[in-house]
Amino acid sequence: AQSVSQHNHHVILSEAASLELGCNYSYGGTVNLFWYVQYPGQHLQLLLKYFSGDPLVKGIKGFEAEFIKSKFSFNLRKPSVQWSDTAEYFCAVGDASGTYKYIFGTGTRLKVLA
Amino acid sequence: DTGVSQDPRHKITKRGQNVTFRCDPISEHNRLYWYRQTLGQGPEFLTYFQNEAQLEKSRLLSDRFSAERPKGSFSTLEIQRTEQGDSAMYLCASSFGQGSGYTFGSGTRLTVV
Repeated sequence: AQSVSQHNHHVILSEAASLELGCNYSYGGTVNLFWYVQYPGQHLQLLLKYFSGDPLVKGIKGFEAEFIKSKFSFNLRKPSVQWSDTAEYFCAVGDASGTYKYIFGTGTRLKVLA
Repeated sequence: DTGVSQDPRHKITKRGQNVTFRCDPISEHNRLYWYRQTLGQGPEFLTYFQNEAQLEKSRLLSDRFSAERPKGSFSTLEIQRTEQGDSAMYLCASSFGQGSGYTFGSGTRLTVV
């Protein structure tokens, strides 16, 4: 079955701490990979995306993600979080051939303490 | 603002009533998607349009749900005979071509009482 797993549902960090959010997927086909962020009261925004090429992808606001094909993983990282990174983060797998619909994980709520 | 617009932002309705939501995508985007998000879950795919053609519908979309995208511009999602289980955030997203990533609207929050 097609699925996306985000193992951390809630994460609390202090400012300047490093962040890694896990994402594993199960999908029988060619995929595109995404991380979306939803700040409090705002709509979902694209953080970064992977289609092909360099498996280390850099996104906005200092975020990066690494695609490890053998592990079916696409983990999100940031070396030093800020209070403004408090948000919910969603990993998504997109069908790269056809509808390009996405399957989303259940999300990780990140709270950064000032 | 040239983003994806959804209307209304909130809708409270009584069980059994019909509701209709509207989505205006980014004008040059040819693909339009509807998703539903419930508390504690990620968005779930409902349906997809390429231009005016509805190309895929999820099993989540029962016969009470219908979506249209006349002339390949805005889209409407109608729910007939609403049930309490329909309470959710309904999200619209649009994109252009392959792999450009979606742009999401702010969603319509439906509460069925």
